[in-house]
Amino acid sequence: ETGVTQTPRHLVMGMTNKKSLKCEQHLGHNAMYWYKQSAKKPLELMFVYSLEERVENNSVPSRFSPECPNSSHLFLHLHTLQPEDSALYLCASSQVARASYEQYFGPGTRLTVT
Amino acid sequence: GDSVTQTEGPVTLPERAALTLNCTYQSSYSTFLFWYVQYLNKEPELLLKSSENQETDSRGFQASPIKSDSSFHLEKPSVQLSDSAVYYCALRGDNNAGNMLTFGGGTRLMVKP
Repeated sequence: ETGVTQTPRHLVMGMTNKKSLKCEQHLGHNAMYWYKQSAKKPLELMFVYSLEERVENNSVPSRFSPECPNSSHLFLHLHTLQPEDSALYLCASSQVARASYEQYFGPGTRLTVT
Repeated sequence: GDSVTQTEGPVTLPERAALTLNCTYQSSYSTFLFWYVQYLNKEPELLLKSSENQETDSRGFQASPIKSDSSFHLEKPSVQLSDSAVYYCALRGDNNAGNMLTFGGGTRLMVKP
């Protein structure tokens, strides 16, 4: 595997379900991010982990719960979601303190809440 | 805080037309600037990156940061059908523990035959 991978690629869940999104980066980076992308707000930063510590939580509802067990893996645990949570969830990674700071994105998980 | 403002889209151009997508930013710190491109049903991918006052180019696109008016416009002399996508301008302010990027709202480009 190369780059940033995400599973599943598509997910349909009911409002009472519990599911998790998984992200894995194979780039040797030490910072990882969750973004939400919907038609109304193109790229919303949700959470940031740098050196495995959460450094940003962008006023995200508690029904979204991130977990970063190590620098290569990032999870987003979902429970009791609302239909407005339907969106593309993108994971990204970067290397903190590298001169250019760019982020690399995974392919995303297309989430539909019914 | 940091902010990025982009050309309101969609922008529709015929093939081989010249492209300029505007991007202006506000940041209290020195910045790194980026353009990302997102093709239909794909993730955003890095197109260009630049530190202050450093012109950059890639795949026929170019952008030159102009500090005096806080701009980082994206240009291409002749667009192709395959350039149809959403383009995001982003900045990384210097005072940023988590390497966070601030993205603009994106500009959809449609190139017509």
